Amino acid sequence: DARVTQTPRHKVTEMGQEVTMRCQPILGHNTVFWYRQTMMQGLELLAYFRNRAPLDDSGMPKDRFSAEMPDATLATLKIQPSEPRDSAVYFCASGLVPGTNGYTFGSGTRLTVV
Amino acid sequence: AQTVTQSQPEMSVQEAETVTLSCTYDTSENNYYLFWYKQPPSRQMILVIRQEAYKQQNATENRFSVNFQKAAKSFSLKISDSQLGDTAMYFCAFMISGGDSGGSNYKLTFGKGTLLTVNP
Repeated sequence: DARVTQTPRHKVTEMGQEVTMRCQPILGHNTVFWYRQTMMQGLELLAYFRNRAPLDDSGMPKDRFSAEMPDATLATLKIQPSEPRDSAVYFCASGLVPGTNGYTFGSGTRLTVV
Repeated sequence: AQTVTQSQPEMSVQEAETVTLSCTYDTSENNYYLFWYKQPPSRQMILVIRQEAYKQQNATENRFSVNFQKAAKSFSLKISDSQLGDTAMYFCAFMISGGDSGGSNYKLTFGKGTLLTVNP
């Protein structure tokens, strides 16, 4: 089965450091999402790309977060500088739109900022 | 904005029994899809079942079925013959479809989830 690959699986970093999370979407998928999962807020949409172009990043704190797709095989989410409140699991998901089979999620990156 | 509400934070069921998880949503759109995702302790998000809003027939996938009530904006998940491996967090999700494929369309809005425990 095709998979969405996220790296790293776990990351512990000190407050103020830069964090980069990577995602390899499934080949042929034209849509990529970044979600953040916390106990308090649940799953929140951070960024949304279609054909590598950003469609919606309204859920992303602009001052410290950035999301890019340098090419069709790589999506990145960066946090600079990181803060303890950024501790969460970050998921990448990909799919084909218009398509209604739902999206395939990666295994997530668990980020801990100390 | 679309909202998805799962009113049961936690539920439990005995192995082999049937359990129903509730989900309601709010939208003014006509073209949309609804999904149930499962997140076991491994934290992998797994698609369980999907429903197209324009279809009246309820979707089924093996032991999983939905009760889709469009007028009531309700989308519950029934798990029959519960198994220990069904223990997980279950998320209901909503997606607008059609239109220009941009902006708010084709993105998933999730409920807060229901933690289901299947007891032996």
